[in-house]
Amino acid sequence: QQQVKQSPQSLIVQKGGISIINCAYENTAFDYFPWYQQFPGKGPALLIAIRPDVSEKKEGRFTISFNKSAKQFSLHIMDSQPGDSATYFCAASTAAGNKLTFGGGTRVLVKP
Amino acid sequence: DAGITQSPRHKVTETGTPVTLRCHQTENHRYMYWYRQDPGHGLRLIHYSYGVKDTDKGEVSDGYSVSRSKTEDFLLTLESATSSQTSVYFCAISELLDEKLFFGSGTQLSVL
Repeated sequence: QQQVKQSPQSLIVQKGGISIINCAYENTAFDYFPWYQQFPGKGPALLIAIRPDVSEKKEGRFTISFNKSAKQFSLHIMDSQPGDSATYFCAASTAAGNKLTFGGGTRVLVKP
Repeated sequence: DAGITQSPRHKVTETGTPVTLRCHQTENHRYMYWYRQDPGHGLRLIHYSYGVKDTDKGEVSDGYSVSRSKTEDFLLTLESATSSQTSVYFCAISELLDEKLFFGSGTQLSVL
């Protein structure tokens, strides 16, 4: 049973466009929601994370939006660049050590 | 990259043979994890460790065992490899449980 469902599986966006990746979760006890970025041949790296006490968090061109009532959160990549081409994973965990649960991943391709 | 080294980087083995993957860290982080990555499944936790000789099972632990005899080393063993264990295996470390994980570069394991 996948507790974190991520969509779409792949995404193509033009340079300068906005990439949007969505995640939905079932466990209402989740209280930590990170996003990881992975380049081919490399391990994932933490990109940005949010907790439910805020509805939005922005770091540079990357923004997490969080909707607690809908049990959804999303990653927006503004002004997408070819260097942003990577696979992005959302994830969720609880303070009780529920163990980090990852979504299935979204492969983003930014065309120049 | 954080000081994480996985070895080997690539391994081809036959069904029924034992396989050990090694993760070595130089960051002195308390928590160490083994994940497997398969298309469409994101990253799934196999086992993790919260200290020397302290380990716990993850989501997909069947067929795997781990050991941590020193803070810096975390071993993953497939006692009798099966074709379903063909995957990319990632080691990760963190100071806090499930937060700000640093991943190694992965081991591509093929079981024929």
